[in-house]
Amino acid sequence: GAVVSQHPSWVICKSGTSVKIECRSLDFQATTMFWYRQFPKQSLMLMATSNEGSKATYEQGVEKDKFLINHASLTLSTLTVTSAHPEDSSFYICSAREQGQINEKLFFGSGTQLSVL
Amino acid sequence: GQQLNQSPQSMFIQEGEDVSMNCTSSSIFNTWLWYKQDPGEGPVLLIALYKAGELTSNGRLTAQFGITRKDSFLNISASIPSDVGIYFCAGHRWTGANNLFFGTGTRLTVIP
Repeated sequence: GAVVSQHPSWVICKSGTSVKIECRSLDFQATTMFWYRQFPKQSLMLMATSNEGSKATYEQGVEKDKFLINHASLTLSTLTVTSAHPEDSSFYICSAREQGQINEKLFFGSGTQLSVL
Repeated sequence: GQQLNQSPQSMFIQEGEDVSMNCTSSSIFNTWLWYKQDPGEGPVLLIALYKAGELTSNGRLTAQFGITRKDSFLNISASIPSDVGIYFCAGHRWTGANNLFFGTGTRLTVIP
């Protein structure tokens, strides 16, 4: 099956710093990628939809200036958590849909555990 | 966003036992999917269901798409320790940008 690589797997940072998370589709091209946040013992909550070559679409309540998304190529989307604070500590997961497919099958990255001190 | 209700929230079972979990929604979905998430990992797709009433198996896993299109269940037969993890259902429909909705999850613990 298709592989989505997410990096880093975990990151610890100081409050006020910015953190960048990368999501790559390794063996397919993805025009659409999705970013989720998952708090402990909770489900995945969609944060934003990342479209290659255009601005991301953010879900209600998600600050676009805080969670910067860039999808500059068909295989890479990045999420930057700017001026991170302890409440931003969470598990962030990306997923990707293969180019040309309007299907429901999303391939997920392995997630990034962010801890803000 | 919409959330699907999944039950039970958690299960503790003996190795070898069968497991059943279900997912319900107030809205109709075109597709139902079941994912498994291991700790510190992203979800992995187990089964996808495309038609109301459809019953699909993947090894020891069997899932069904409810007739009303508002529910689905997942069964695991003869559980083994590596079945431990969190199981999420997800419903998919073609309206709107956010068209995949996740359930609340069922945390499965298998006791050897």
